[in-house]
This record gives sequence, structure tokens and C-alpha cells, in this order.
Amino acid sequence: DIQMTQSPPSLSASLGDKVTITCQASQNINKYIAWYQQKPGKAPRQLIRYTSTLVSGTPSRFSGSGSGRDYSFSISNVESEDIASYYCLQYDNLPWTFGGGTKLELK
Amino acid sequence: QVQLEESGPGLMQPSETLSLTCTVSGFSLTSNGVGWVRQPLGKGLVWMGTIWAGGSTNYNSAVQSRLSISRDTSKSQVFLKMNSLQPEDTGTYYCARHPGIEDYFDYWGQGVMVTVSS
Repeated sequence: DIQMTQSPPSLSASLGDKVTITCQASQNINKYIAWYQQKPGKAPRQLIRYTSTLVSGTPSRFSGSGSGRDYSFSISNVESEDIASYYCLQYDNLPWTFGGGTKLELK
Repeated sequence: QVQLEESGPGLMQPSETLSLTCTVSGFSLTSNGVGWVRQPLGKGLVWMGTIWAGGSTNYNSAVQSRLSISRDTSKSQVFLKMNSLQPEDTGTYYCARHPGIEDYFDYWGQGVMVTVSS
């Protein structure tokens, strides 16, 4: 199974900050990584697919990049509505595996 | 629009068999796969298994011996059955759609909380 090591587990930011979350795969995942946002008591919401493609409705302050084993997800100009947990998902190889999550909090 | 809705019992006893239903609308089960993802309380997401548009299934090896996923395309429903439940199976169970073959998840249901306790 491909392991997805996501860091940091938690992040504290002020409104307007830029934050970055990373996911490292245990092997090359050929850019097949998606990023999700999850608010308490809600289902995950898809933000980015195939490393850097924003899905419809995702604000442009969200971005993704990476290749091989190393990927990152950023939010520029953090807004209050961005306070949530974020997860990466690799879908290059079964079984699909998620990162452990990053909880974004307001400083 | 695309919607998925999970249903099933909220409280189960250890050793029982869990049966969950995912009712979908806005797409056909013969066009898109549907997977199940579990989230223990306060923890991360774990893919459990998927039934693909052609009817084939893939399971996470961690639960494969206890898990079965099936569907009724005429009713637009996907079913999860997992036997020999243990307290560590407690969590929220989501069904989610794959937009393509061996693809990520785009649309998710709201989830159903299952507690396994005696």
C-alpha cells in the first residue's frame, strides 16, 4: 500500500496568511493526488484533482503542486471560511490512501 | 444534480453484521463507480472499497475478509455489508462517487454515524 505522510498535523494561521501543507507518498504517484476540505460534522469537499487542477467552485486562493513523491497544497490569503481540516488522497494505485489530515486553526 | 445519501442503523452490537445503503441520484451506477470511506471519530479517512460502473469490486485488504459491496442499479442503490463488527469499526461511513475509472472521489454523501457497542 502507498503511505501518504501529511504534514503538519495542525496549523495555526492569521487571516490573510499563506499556509502550505505537504504530502509525501511512499512511492511515485504520478501526480494522481487530490485535496479535500472537511469542516466539522460535514463530508469532505473536493478542492483539487490531479495535483493542481482546481475543481469547479474552488476559490483561486487554493493551489496545488508537486510531482513524483512530493506534493504541496497552499492557501494564500487565508479567510475565516477556510478553517477546516484538509486531506490529501492518492489515487494512482489501489488501495486509495489518504494522508492523516491537517487541522487549520485561527491564530 | 449529483446526490448521494447514506442510510442504516446507528447502533450495532459487537459481532453483528452492518448493512448500509447509499442511494444516489443525478447519475447512473452503470456510468460511475461508488466507494465507501470510513472515518473513526476525530480521525482520518480510510477507503474501504468500491463497486465500479461495470459491477466489479475492489476492497481494502484491511477489511476485505469482512466486507461486501453490491448494488441494485434499478433502484440506484449501493450496499455495504460488513460482518463481525468490533468497537473499532465505530465511525462515520461515507459513500462517494468516482468521476471516472480508478479515479478519485468527487461527490460525497453526508455520512452516517455507526457506533459499535455492547
